[in-house]
Parts: sequence; C-alpha cells; structure tokens
Amino acid sequence: QQPVQSPQAVILREGEDAVINCSSSKALYSVHWYRQKHGEAPIFLMILLKGGEQKGHDKISASFNEKKQQSSLYLTASQLSYSGTYFCGTEMDSSYKLIFGSGTRLLVRP
Amino acid sequence: EAGVAQSPRYKIIEKRQSVAFWCNPISGHATLYWYQQILGQGPKLLIQFQNNGVVDDSQLPKDRFSAERLKGVDSTLKIQPAKLEDSAVYLCASSLLPGTNEQYFGPGTRLTVT
Repeated sequence: QQPVQSPQAVILREGEDAVINCSSSKALYSVHWYRQKHGEAPIFLMILLKGGEQKGHDKISASFNEKKQQSSLYLTASQLSYSGTYFCGTEMDSSYKLIFGSGTRLLVRP
Repeated sequence: EAGVAQSPRYKIIEKRQSVAFWCNPISGHATLYWYQQILGQGPKLLIQFQNNGVVDDSQLPKDRFSAERLKGVDSTLKIQPAKLEDSAVYLCASSLLPGTNEQYFGPGTRLTVT
C-alpha cells in the first residue's frame, strides 16, 4: 500500500526545474506533500483532493490524477532552499490514515 | 503560535530497557499522531488519536509499544522492552481535524538502542 516515489534522488542547478512523482496501487482520496530537511521535522507543502485539481505554492505546484492514482510535484526555477527530501503521503477512501512514500532526495547546487 | 513540542530530543538506551517519549500538540488540535521514521525512509504511522480516543493503531507493535493521551492534550509513547530495530526518530504530529487537514510535526526524538 505504500506509494512509490520517483526518482529516488535528483541533483539540480539553481534555476532548473524538477518533477517528483508519486504512484499508488490503490484508489486515493487525497495526496499530501511534505518536505524534510536533514535533521528537521517534515514541513507541509500542500494537499490535493481527488478531482484532478492542481495547486500551487510559490514556484512549487502539484497535480493529482485520480484515474491514474498518481500525483506529481513540480518545482520550477529551483532555489537552494528547495534542497531536502520530499515525501508524498497518500490517504485512502474512508480512512484518515496517511501512508508516506520512501521519499525523493533533492539537492540544488549553486 | 507555539509548535508541537517533544522531549527528549535524543535518547540512548540498551536493548531490553524501557523508554518514554512525550508530545504536546498545538493548542486546540484534536488529532495527534505518532510516527516512526527509520533512517532513509518515510514516516510510518504508529498510532492516531482523536481527542483521547484511538482512531488507528494497526501498525503499533502492541507487545512492546503503548501510547496514551489521557486528557486529550499531551501524549506519551512508551517502548518496553526496546529492541535494536527500534532505533529511529519518533515524530509526533497534530492537526486541527483528521483527514484532509495538514499535519504539523514536532522536532522528533532520536532513539538509539545499543
């Protein structure tokens, strides 16, 4: 039931774009995205509910394809502060239990 | 507003010993979560409380782990006896409502079992 994230790691130059994917084998009610810096607590980025909506947060946006049971996180014009591990958390129908993927490590270099 | 508080921040114990972690959620947050995060992995939900009732504890190893939230505010997670594989960061999170609301995480307790 754990969602699968890809890629496992990515290295960018400042200003480049990246896409992180999160796929589930089960039908999803919502997808949550968090970023965690080394040694720190995960920080909430956004929630996407089923319905295929897309959300944006500064230069970070995400989409949710309910039919494909997957979500993608888009980071545009990356900044050094974007470095960290990104986790997607999936929520199944009629359940408030959040299951996190194993994470995608993102490193933005000057 | 004050964030989620956890203590201690670090703990080193020997296997078969017991340990307890404390969490104080954000004021007014009804839902409290305990997660276990093993190095290099995502957080794994151990138990979820709604006020002082348990909503989900399906992944809590109940033969050694226990948790309580007596007055619907702060919570304690206990491990007795600890095993080497319990070495992890234990994260506490809270949310205003369950489900679709964002979760606010505390700084975590890093447990090392030797």
